[in-house]
Amino acid sequence: VQLVESGGGLVQPGKSLKLSCSASGFTFSSFGMHWIRQAPGKGLDWVAYISSSSDIVYADAVKGRFTISRDNSKNTLYLQLNSLKSEDTAIYYCARGATDYWGQGVMVTVSS
Amino acid sequence: DVVLTQTPPTLSATIGQSVSISCRSSQSLLHRNGNTYLNWLLQRPGQLPQLLIYLVSRLESGVPNRFSGSGSGTDFTLKIRGVEAEDLGVYYCVQSTHAPYTFGAGTKLELK
Repeated sequence: VQLVESGGGLVQPGKSLKLSCSASGFTFSSFGMHWIRQAPGKGLDWVAYISSSSDIVYADAVKGRFTISRDNSKNTLYLQLNSLKSEDTAIYYCARGATDYWGQGVMVTVSS
Repeated sequence: DVVLTQTPPTLSATIGQSVSISCRSSQSLLHRNGNTYLNWLLQRPGQLPQLLIYLVSRLESGVPNRFSGSGSGTDFTLKIRGVEAEDLGVYYCVQSTHAPYTFGAGTKLELK
């Protein structure tokens, strides 16, 4: 099992970014997937989840600003981040449904 | 939203000592399907989170059996029987019974 995130970077407040998580080594379409973040020096913060049937849930802090999606034909999970705030600065991880496998994470920095 | 309260926030232990970490939920984590979706993870310094225990008490493959989980409803416990140096880091409980899913704030296990 391998999960590889990409798309992070430095972005100004109010701007947008799209993260990707490329999955391999398992039947991606059969598993729910999470996005989880960790601000520098802080604890884990759950962001969003998409089930194998594309049911979606979001943390209150990102609802209406972030969008999780998946493309099973590409074995890829996405997170569209809009209206970014400084408090969204964190390492963003994708993780398989039972939190048994994690990607290495991608840094998102929101700063002017 | 479900609040998970972990205690203690910091735990000092000697090698070989047995320790326990508590995770209390603001509401029952028993899902209507009969499962209780409470996991325990360990994040060693500079490393990715690692799943230790899922569904309250099931040991993840490859995890040493000195780790055990117990509990039901709103009260859960992770026990480490005989701490080893590799066990140092931050332990998190996480629930996925009720959306939005949530993490505890973490318990840092350090050497006394």
